[in-house]
Amino acid sequence: GDSVTQMEGPVTLSEEAFLTINCTYTATGYPSLFWYVQYPGEGLQLLLKATKADDKGSNKGFEATYRKETTSFHLEKGSVQVSDSAVYFCALRRGTLTFGKGTMLLVSP
Amino acid sequence: GAGVSQTPSNKVTEKGKYVELRCDPISGHTALYWYRQSLGQGPEFLIYFQGTGAADDSGLPNDRFFAVRPEGSVSTLKIQRTERGDSAVYLCASSVVHGGRAAETQYFGPGTRLLVL
Repeated sequence: GDSVTQMEGPVTLSEEAFLTINCTYTATGYPSLFWYVQYPGEGLQLLLKATKADDKGSNKGFEATYRKETTSFHLEKGSVQVSDSAVYFCALRRGTLTFGKGTMLLVSP
Repeated sequence: GAGVSQTPSNKVTEKGKYVELRCDPISGHTALYWYRQSLGQGPEFLIYFQGTGAADDSGLPNDRFFAVRPEGSVSTLKIQRTERGDSAVYLCASSVVHGGRAAETQYFGPGTRLLVL
């Protein structure tokens, strides 16, 4: 069945550091790919998405590129802020959403 | 505008009891989803409604779990004979439907945290 694997956290960074959170997936066909974010005390929010191979999703300085050849959708940001501290979920959609386990990001001043 | 709302925000019950969890989707969203998120895990799909009918209930773990959406808006997730393993955050999401297909973007509610003692 479909599955999503993302790097375990927590990821601990200093402000202005470069961020990468790895995500790979297993699915038949060509799913749409998503990153969702959950800030402390809040619900899941869509961060970005890509619907086909080589598409790049971007939002709030975050980017991820749909790589069919490596079945990956790694999340990157050039300079993180303290306010980016949250749990990040990679997900794929073929009908319904299949999520990874989540990666906690902690950014210190 | 109002987002997806869920009530109660927290529910504590005893093993063997019956619970109902409510979801109020965004107005006009025909598609509605229920997910369960256990501690340290990502959300897991339970059931998907399009309108009043369950289009996909393949994620319901067993027959103790049931969900309804009688008027195509509010949905209730019902759990009978609760077990300690049912403790989790239950999330609801909704989306618009175009041409009979649910849109890519789902909007999530804050969840109901269920604790079974």
